[in-house]
Amino acid sequence: DIVMTQSPDSLAVSLGERATINCKSSQSILYSSNNENYLAWYQQKLGQPPKLLIYWASTRESGVPDRFSGSGSGTDFTLTISSLQAEDVAVYYCQQYYSTPHSFGQGTKLEIK
Amino acid sequence: QVQLVQSGAEVKKPGASVKVSCKTSGYTFINYYMHWVRQAPGQGLEWMGIINPSGGSTTYAQKFEGRVIMTRDTSTSTLYMELSSLRSEDTAVYYCARARPNYYDFWGQGTLVTVSS
Repeated sequence: DIVMTQSPDSLAVSLGERATINCKSSQSILYSSNNENYLAWYQQKLGQPPKLLIYWASTRESGVPDRFSGSGSGTDFTLTISSLQAEDVAVYYCQQYYSTPHSFGQGTKLEIK
Repeated sequence: QVQLVQSGAEVKKPGASVKVSCKTSGYTFINYYMHWVRQAPGQGLEWMGIINPSGGSTTYAQKFEGRVIMTRDTSTSTLYMELSSLRSEDTAVYYCARARPNYYDFWGQGTLVTVSS
């Protein structure tokens, strides 16, 4: 099974500043036949289901603000929020969908400093 | 618009079973696989399994093999997740999540299952 590890576990950033969350997979989730990384990022606000932000490691879901971006390949990935807004307070999860069981990182709690 | 509406909260005793439903609308039911994911209180997300609504085939996480059954009813565009031999550690919010075709683009609102004697 693929293990996903996020860092940090929690993060406090000032409004308007950059927030960076890292995600590492225990094995490569780059599929050679299509050169795609099978990684998604989700945002979960308190009391709500997760919301898809990014898929294929760097493709932003429709309607997601462009301050959210994803990068990385192979085993190391990053979610960046370029200018933190108050509504971005949430827990963020990375997920690999390369193979079952699909696995999630433990989550990163993002707060306002 | 795509909607996944789950059944209401349940309270069950240890050893009992629970069946959670996920009624879908706004898209062609058989064209999208559905995953089930759970989240214990204050914890992260845990993948339970996937069902193909077209043929009904399933793949379960090894952890739940023998205790979980995922089914669907194509006539009502509804999916079901039944978990048996419940224990306190199964207390969680259970989500259905649509696969497009691999990542999860729409999620149900969640169903809280509480296991308590």
